[in-house]
Amino acid sequence: QQQVKQSPQSLIVQKGGISIINCAYENTAFDYFPWYQQFPGKGPALLIAIRPDVSEKKEGRFTISFNKSAKQFSLHIMDSQPGDSATYFCAASRKGNRDDKIIFGKGTRLHILP
Amino acid sequence: NAGVMQNPRHLVRRRGQEARLRCSPMKGHSHVYWYRQLPEEGLKFMVYLQKENIIDESGMPKERFSAEFPKEGPSILRIQQVVRGDSAAYFCASSPGWAVYEQYFGPGTRLTVT
Repeated sequence: QQQVKQSPQSLIVQKGGISIINCAYENTAFDYFPWYQQFPGKGPALLIAIRPDVSEKKEGRFTISFNKSAKQFSLHIMDSQPGDSATYFCAASRKGNRDDKIIFGKGTRLHILP
Repeated sequence: NAGVMQNPRHLVRRRGQEARLRCSPMKGHSHVYWYRQLPEEGLKFMVYLQKENIIDESGMPKERFSAEFPKEGPSILRIQQVVRGDSAAYFCASSPGWAVYEQYFGPGTRLTVT
C-alpha cells in the first residue's frame, strides 16, 4: 500500500513532442505528490508538485494532471527539448508529520531526440 | 546559500572495509534523510535523523549500517564490513523541519565495493 508505481521505465520522444509519464498509488492518505528530475551524476531536484485538491498544475512546459478517484497522476512535458533528457521520479507523501517519508517511484529515463 | 553537500563524491572500498559517508545539510536545516539508489531503481529510504536523534531507521539494514547526526558537524552514514551488494549511490536530503516534502538533495556519494 506504500508503493508508487511508475511507467514507462524508459521513454524516447522527438524534440518538440509531448513526454508523458504516469504514476499510480494505493494509499489514500497521501496528500502531496512531487516530481523530481535527476541528471546523470547529480542528486534529484524537485521539479513540480501537486496536492489532491486540484486536478492540474502547470509550471512552464511542465504539467501535472491528477485523478484522485483513479489514484493516478502524470507528468506532461510539452515541447520536449534535449535538455529535458533526465530520469524523472514521481513520489508521494503525507503532510509533514514526524513519522512520514517520501515514497518514490522507480523512475523513468527520458531521452529527447534532437 | 550553499546546498546540501556530500563527500566524498566517489568512494571505493574493498570487501570487509568500512565506508563512511558525510552529509552537510543546507544552512538552517536540522533534518537529514539518507537514501540508497541502485541502478534502474528508485530511491529507497534508509534513515531520518534530527540533530542528535534518530527519528526513523526503518529502511536501514540492522547489521553493518549506522547513522548519526551530531550536534556539531555533518551527518554520517557508516557501513561496516562492506560487501559487493552495498555498491550504490547514497543520497542525503535535508529539510527545515517536519515538512517532510520540502527535501533538498545532495549530489550523492557513489560507493563501489571491489
